[in-house]
Amino acid sequence: SQTIHQWPATLVQPVGSPLSLECTVEGTSNPNLYWYRQAAGRGLQLLFYSVGIGQISSEVPQNLSASRPQDRQFILSSKKLLLSDSGFYLCARLLGNTQYFGPGTRLTVL
Amino acid sequence: AQSVTQLGSHVSVSEGALVLLRCNYSSSVPPYLFWYVQYPNQGLQLLLKYTTGATLVKGINGFEAEFKKSETSFHLTKPSAHMSDAAEYFCALSGGSNYKLTFGKGTLLTVNP
Repeated sequence: SQTIHQWPATLVQPVGSPLSLECTVEGTSNPNLYWYRQAAGRGLQLLFYSVGIGQISSEVPQNLSASRPQDRQFILSSKKLLLSDSGFYLCARLLGNTQYFGPGTRLTVL
Repeated sequence: AQSVTQLGSHVSVSEGALVLLRCNYSSSVPPYLFWYVQYPNQGLQLLLKYTTGATLVKGINGFEAEFKKSETSFHLTKPSAHMSDAAEYFCALSGGSNYKLTFGKGTLLTVNP
């Protein structure tokens, strides 16, 4: 199985609170992993990608950070959420030359 | 620099009619091209992809797309729309390191009975 799990499925957080979104994958070891955000009017934006444990590349400057503490775990974090962090967060894994996506996490910041 | 342009943010067709969703791309290297579909509050599902070889590619649910290098296009078609095809469709391109994807802004397909 190459299943991608994302947790939680939905989240409502106040401005200024911390954030932790988790992505775990099954199957092939040491996959490339990606975090995307889908926000209204802004399409799908690549936030971070990782080619291995502890290796994180950031694509856009922002209020968020990512970590990869284990081979099959990818975490998206923030110390203080902004209203503009609201959106649908998608984790993806690379299999061959194709990215496959998880079910997503809906984040609403109030 | 790479970019993807999807013409038409919203396409409406009747059930049984032809579906045509347009995608044009710009890439400085030979591209890999993808179509994904997204149903409300769900992740993206791969419909089909072009990497190398045959330029007409067939995907799931009766969809197909043709890679036309001279026109820098990768339009998605389906001969006969079904109500279950109503969703948002994204064209995407990867052509650089680490297979990062560049997405178009998406096309919302509505199917009318």
